[in-house]
This record gives sequence, structure tokens and C-alpha cells, in this order.
Amino acid sequence: SYELTQPPSVSVSPGQTARITCSGDALPKQYAYWYQQKPGQAPVLVIYKDSERPSGIPERFSGSSSGTTVTLTISGVQAEDEADYYCQSADSSGTVVFGGGTKLTVL
Amino acid sequence: EVQLVESGGGLVQPGGSLRLSCAASRFTFSSYGMTWVRQAPGKGLEWVSAISGSGGSAYYADSVKGRFTISRDNSKNTLYLQMTSLRAEDTAVYYCAKVYCSSTSCPTVGAFDIWGQGTMVTVSS
Repeated sequence: SYELTQPPSVSVSPGQTARITCSGDALPKQYAYWYQQKPGQAPVLVIYKDSERPSGIPERFSGSSSGTTVTLTISGVQAEDEADYYCQSADSSGTVVFGGGTKLTVL
Repeated sequence: EVQLVESGGGLVQPGGSLRLSCAASRFTFSSYGMTWVRQAPGKGLEWVSAISGSGGSAYYADSVKGRFTISRDNSKNTLYLQMTSLRAEDTAVYYCAKVYCSSTSCPTVGAFDIWGQGTMVTVSS
């Protein structure tokens, strides 16, 4: 199986831009997905297919891909964005992998 | 509102068995792949298993292969996870989730757009 690597933590002040990266050798061939998880709650899908945003997700959430790295960008970070963020991918053999997660702290 | 509700969690001794259920409502259950994801206390998300909409294809993480079995009853709109030979390291909140389908594709695994609230499984003597 393959791995997805995320930084353990990212800190940003309110109103600034947060960027969370996810790296993996399989990412040039597979889509990446991003989830937000707040304490005691189930994960919420915020980005699919590298850069698509589900309905109901604020426009300040965006995704991009370049080579073996995908990036979740949160523009104009708000206090409510403080959460754990996970990247995820899946291959054609049915294997699903999650990154280790990144704790976003809003200072 | 589309909803998934897990049940069946609890305390079980090492080596024991448990069956989790996930009841789905307000969507055409048989049209969607489903998955189980777990989260150990204070840890990250770990994929466990996935099954196609028809139930004809199933996939497992190496950590549970041979011990866990995923299944579904489309007539009851319910997903299951039969867990045997349980170990302390299986202790986690277990979530079921529905695969996201676009207008052009509906894979068995991909993004997961609807999640249940989770059910806690504790393996301890």
C-alpha cells in the first residue's frame, strides 16, 4: 500500500491564509479528497477530486494539485475553521488511504 | 435528510466478536458503495473496509483482512461489519460512510460525503 504524509500542525491568525499539504507518490495518478473533523464529531468532506467543493462548503476552502503534493487552502481563516484536516485517496484496487491528519490552530 | 446511523458497538474481550450495523435512510442505498472507517482514541482516521452497491465486491485493509467481514442487506438499507478475533488495537470509534457519486461516475471507493455519528468499540479484558 502507499502512504500520504501531512504536517502534524499548522497555525494561522484569523483572516490569514492557511495551507495544508499532503504528499504521496500515488497522487499524480489518483484524486485526493479532504475532510474537516472537529472534536467529538464525524468528518466532513470539504474537497473532492483534488479541487472540487461540495455544496454547502464555504468558498474560502479550495484545493490544488501539483505532482506528488496536493494542498488544501483556507482563505480568510475563521475561528470556526479550527479543526483536524485529513487528506485521503483511493486506488482502482479498492484500497483507501488517509493521511495522518493536520491540526489547524487559529491563533 | 440523508442519514447514516451506526449501532452495535460496546465492550468485548480480546478474541471476541462483534457485529456493527449502519442503517441508511433517504437515499437509494443499493446505488452506492459504502465504507467503514475507524478512529482510535486520540488518533487519526483509518480505513477499514469497503463494499460495492450490489455487495458483489469487498475490500479490506491489511490490518483487518481475514478477521473482519463487510456485508450489506439492500432490502433493509443496512450495512454490516462482522468483527472476529478482536484485539486491543481494534479499539476505536467506527464510522460508516457513503461514497460520493457525480453525474458521470459512482465508484465503490472515492470521496465519502455522508458519515454516521460513529459507534465505539472497546476491546479489553
